[in-house]
Amino acid sequence: AQTVTQSQPEMSVQEAETVTLSCTYDTSENNYYLFWYKQPPSRQMILVIRQEAYKQQNATENRFSVNFQKAAKSFSLKISDSQLGDTAMYFCAFMKHAGNNNDMRFGAGTRLTVKP
Amino acid sequence: SQTIHQWPATLVQPVGSPLSLECTVEGTSNPNLYWYRQAAGRGLQLLFYSVGIGQISSEVPQNLSASRPQDRQFILSSKKLLLSDSGFYLCAWTQGGQGFSLKETQYFGPGTRLLVL
Repeated sequence: AQTVTQSQPEMSVQEAETVTLSCTYDTSENNYYLFWYKQPPSRQMILVIRQEAYKQQNATENRFSVNFQKAAKSFSLKISDSQLGDTAMYFCAFMKHAGNNNDMRFGAGTRLTVKP
Repeated sequence: SQTIHQWPATLVQPVGSPLSLECTVEGTSNPNLYWYRQAAGRGLQLLFYSVGIGQISSEVPQNLSASRPQDRQFILSSKKLLLSDSGFYLCAWTQGGQGFSLKETQYFGPGTRLLVL
């Protein structure tokens, strides 16, 4: 079974600075996706960034980028120029591809606080 | 564009009462649908997923059940709620069909907060 581990329950960063959230996973699959979701106080899950395992190039979305190390099974999220609106729970997620079904597993989350 | 709806937004129910949470998706056809539960301060746990009408797969044994009476409708139910059923329930969808492509991103609804007393 696949597991996702986020070893940092809470983190804080000063506004405009950079922060990195860690995520590791365990799988025997070769083809899969990795995601980072943001959950603000409204509780809705918002997709931040995704990475396909078959791509070596790290995904980037504006101020958000990942460091994907497939051999090490590591998938960290870097937030540059942190903004107050980045304050939220961040979840790392793993999805294997199995036929017509997409089985997604989430980590326990990291609570990020951006301080003014 | 596609949208996903969940209702109610908040629900307070006594132990032993029935439950029905509804999720609907607009703007797509034959989606894969998912129900997740998030306990307070914890990550998401996949409860059920469906790849088509009447097709339900359960991830964990529990007090809940799911049904998909229509292509874009997914219902989470219980005959008798337990205290442990309290939590935040999220419905999600992905594009259906096979193939390893960019369509597997999950899109979440706004969620339902359930409190069982």
